Amino acid sequence: EMVLTQSPATLSLSPGERATLSCRASQTVSNSYLAWYQQRPGQAPRVLIYDASTRATGIPARFSGSGSGTDFTLTISSLEPEDFAVYYCQDRSTWTFTFGGGTKVEIK
Amino acid sequence: EVQLVESGGGLVQPGGSLRLSCTASGFTFSSYWLTWVRQAPGEGLEWVAHVGPDGSAKYYRDSVRGRFTISRDNAKNSLYLQMNSLRAEDTATYYCARDTYCSGTTCWRMSDSWGQGTLVTVSS
Repeated sequence: EMVLTQSPATLSLSPGERATLSCRASQTVSNSYLAWYQQRPGQAPRVLIYDASTRATGIPARFSGSGSGTDFTLTISSLEPEDFAVYYCQDRSTWTFTFGGGTKVEIK
Repeated sequence: EVQLVESGGGLVQPGGSLRLSCTASGFTFSSYWLTWVRQAPGEGLEWVAHVGPDGSAKYYRDSVRGRFTISRDNAKNSLYLQMNSLRAEDTATYYCARDTYCSGTTCWRMSDSWGQGTLVTVSS
């Protein structure tokens, strides 16, 4: 069974700072079929990145994804006020998907 | 504009049943995989089930297999989740989402449009 561990659980940063979020898988994510989602309070999630590094339509360039195998990273190059939210990674390499536990990016 | 609207949530006793619906518009419904994802109050996201474009391929998380049934009606642009033998731990907001789309040999593997969710509460 795939387990995705996201770290840190909470990231306290100021607007303009760089955010680096980690997602570690218990098994290899084949073909790098990993997605990242953002969820703001009271809203549905929205996709940011799929296939580990491809930005979804309409996602700003400050969001980037990288990694392969078992280690993946979501980077926000310069935090905007609307970026303070919870971020989830999702393994899509098998027929049953798995989400990580989430990283909350909060204002310092 | 792509829209997904869930309905059917509510309060149900443990052991009871509920059927969720998701009505879609703004895209070619029959070309996409569709997914149910849930979120318990104050908790993270949990994938529940997904169904292929023609309704034949269905996959479930272990904790709901045998109790929940995902289905779709492409003529009605609708997705369903029949939930039986409900437990307290099934209490959550249930989201439907448009999922994987494949064209030729290329697939876009993501949940790229979501409904606003419907709350299911299992309690006596």
